[in-house]
Amino acid sequence: EPEVTQTPSHQVTQMGQEVILRCVPISNHLYFYWYRQILGQKVEFLVSFYNNEISEKSEIFDDQFSVERPDGSNFTLKIRSTKLEDSAMYFCASKSRTDASQPQHFGDGTRLSIL
Amino acid sequence: DAKTTQPNSMESNEEEPVHLPCNHSTISGTDYIHWYRQLPSQGPEYVIHGLTSNVNNRMASLAIAEDRKSSTLILHRATLRDAAVYYCILSFPFSGGYNKLIFGAGTRLAVHP
Repeated sequence: EPEVTQTPSHQVTQMGQEVILRCVPISNHLYFYWYRQILGQKVEFLVSFYNNEISEKSEIFDDQFSVERPDGSNFTLKIRSTKLEDSAMYFCASKSRTDASQPQHFGDGTRLSIL
Repeated sequence: DAKTTQPNSMESNEEEPVHLPCNHSTISGTDYIHWYRQLPSQGPEYVIHGLTSNVNNRMASLAIAEDRKSSTLILHRATLRDAAVYYCILSFPFSGGYNKLIFGAGTRLAVHP
């Protein structure tokens, strides 16, 4: 069964450094998402992306965050200058169609640790 | 955003059925009811969804109340691998962000051997 893959599984970065989290969505999917989950807390929506544009972003997704689909297969989340509070699990998700009946398919996440 | 209410935790014994309830009293007519689960150290995993009728798939069954204000996820025979946090989420058309998912705290299911 096709799946969403995320790399790396664990990223350790010094505060203030830039980090790029990578995702390969399911190949025929067109809608892409990033979520994050701080340890012990809820999964939180960050951003949705379609047709090379952000369709919605949450309050968490400030100017330090950006997303990109640099080619036909990858979807990336960049944090320009990391802060301690960015430490979390980051999940990428994708879906094939926009209608509300379609489920999102998630990767297993990247654990980001900021030192 | 329409909200759902779930118990914080439930327990079950292996091989027994499990009924996980969800209340969504403010659901509107076009909202789909989705269930996801999150196993330890993994991303959320789609389980099942429905609109009005009960639904079955290889993982579970979804029973939807006639007034749609509540639903129940049914695991017919719990296994140790079913120990996870289960999320009941409403997905509504015309929402922003191409149906972004709003996760609550979910129900943490413990399965005992």
